[in-house]
Amino acid sequence: KQEVTQIPAALSVPEGENLVLNCSFTDSAIYNLQWFRQDPGKGLTSLLLIQSSQREQTSGRLNASLDKSSGRSTLYIAASQPGDSATYLCAVRPQGSGNTGKLIFGQGTTLQVKP
Amino acid sequence: DTAVSQTPKYLVTQMGNDKSIKCEQNLGHDTMYWYKQDSKKFLKIMFSYNNKELIINETVPNRFSPKSPDKAHLNLHINSLELGDSAVYFCASSQDYTRAWHFGPGTRLTVL
Repeated sequence: KQEVTQIPAALSVPEGENLVLNCSFTDSAIYNLQWFRQDPGKGLTSLLLIQSSQREQTSGRLNASLDKSSGRSTLYIAASQPGDSATYLCAVRPQGSGNTGKLIFGQGTTLQVKP
Repeated sequence: DTAVSQTPKYLVTQMGNDKSIKCEQNLGHDTMYWYKQDSKKFLKIMFSYNNKELIINETVPNRFSPKSPDKAHLNLHINSLELGDSAVYFCASSQDYTRAWHFGPGTRLTVL
């Protein structure tokens, strides 16, 4: 059974710091992995999608890596800003899920960036 | 030009009532989903619809029923609401399993 774990559960940093959020999954048989951002009371916004054949994806100050064999992904945020404060969720799409919606989510890391 | 929209945003109701949540996507995606986020923030899939056909139903009580009048809409009907149904319900869509997902803003359901 696929399980996704995110560490730490919460993180508080001063503005300008570079930081890394971690995601681990128990079964390496995945199609892809996505990182999402959730603001309080809001829906999820997809940040980065990494296919199983890829090692990393970049978007602006965000860089996500994927090591499928070890069941790990990291989300690197460079030069953090107060506007980055949100909950970050990672989710994997297990192989065998076909075109279903079976994303398995972690519990998220709640990030606070202090001015 | 909202991609995935849900109504209502908040829903407060009494136990035993029947309620519906509506979802619409204007992205032309083939697949739509309903997810439930509990008080511990865990997101779990409830239903997946592809071209108006139910693909999966993840151990959801039959009090919950998805209804899709067309490819752009997937509504969620809940009968005989229970206290444990209180949660945030998210609608989402995707073109296929290789593409990014788009989530709606969520509907916070509170059952009293």
